[in-house]
Amino acid sequence: DQQVKQNSPSLSVQEGRISILNCDYTNSMFDYFLWYKKYPAEGPTFLISISSIKDKNEDGRFTVFLNKSAKHLSLHIVPSQPGDSAVYFCAASSYGNNRLAFGKGNQVVVIP
Amino acid sequence: ETGVTQSPTHLIKTRGQQVTLRCSSQSGHNTVSWYQQALGQGPQFIFQYYREEENGRGNFPPRFSGLQFPNYSSELNVNALELDDSALYLCASSDGQGALYEQYFGPGTRLTVT
Repeated sequence: DQQVKQNSPSLSVQEGRISILNCDYTNSMFDYFLWYKKYPAEGPTFLISISSIKDKNEDGRFTVFLNKSAKHLSLHIVPSQPGDSAVYFCAASSYGNNRLAFGKGNQVVVIP
Repeated sequence: ETGVTQSPTHLIKTRGQQVTLRCSSQSGHNTVSWYQQALGQGPQFIFQYYREEENGRGNFPPRFSGLQFPNYSSELNVNALELDDSALYLCASSDGQGALYEQYFGPGTRLTVT
């Protein structure tokens, strides 16, 4: 069963606008959440993370929001740049380990 | 500093055969995790090795097995290949097992089973 879900498989956005990616999880044991970015022919690379004790974490143009009661998180990219065009994966684990459960990914295309 | 490398890049095997995939972890990393990414899906956790011992396993049958060597490089072995084993196999290394230890992924091995 899919413990981490990403709907809306693809997203197209104009350069300079905001990209918003959503993720839902079902396992209450998850308390650490991550976003990875993947380019073709490369492995996923870590982008940003958030602990369950926080509701927001910011790193430059990337912000992750966590709503623990709704088991929902989102990634905001602003402003979007053409180099942000990639597949974005939402992932989760519990604090005791780094065995990740991934969503299916969202393809983001930033149009110049 | 060398990143995570995997070999081979691509591999074609026949159903019923056995395959070995290799992963060299990032320098100094003692933990290796393997993931299977089927087409259109996210990576799925297969198992993790910490200091040469298996340290957690996902929902994969026993024909998926692994090894970690004293230099922390790792192998993934799959016996009796099935068509559904066709996927991208990713390995990731980290400097520990806890959630705060960032995992660094290799580029993957694309396995096709015919």
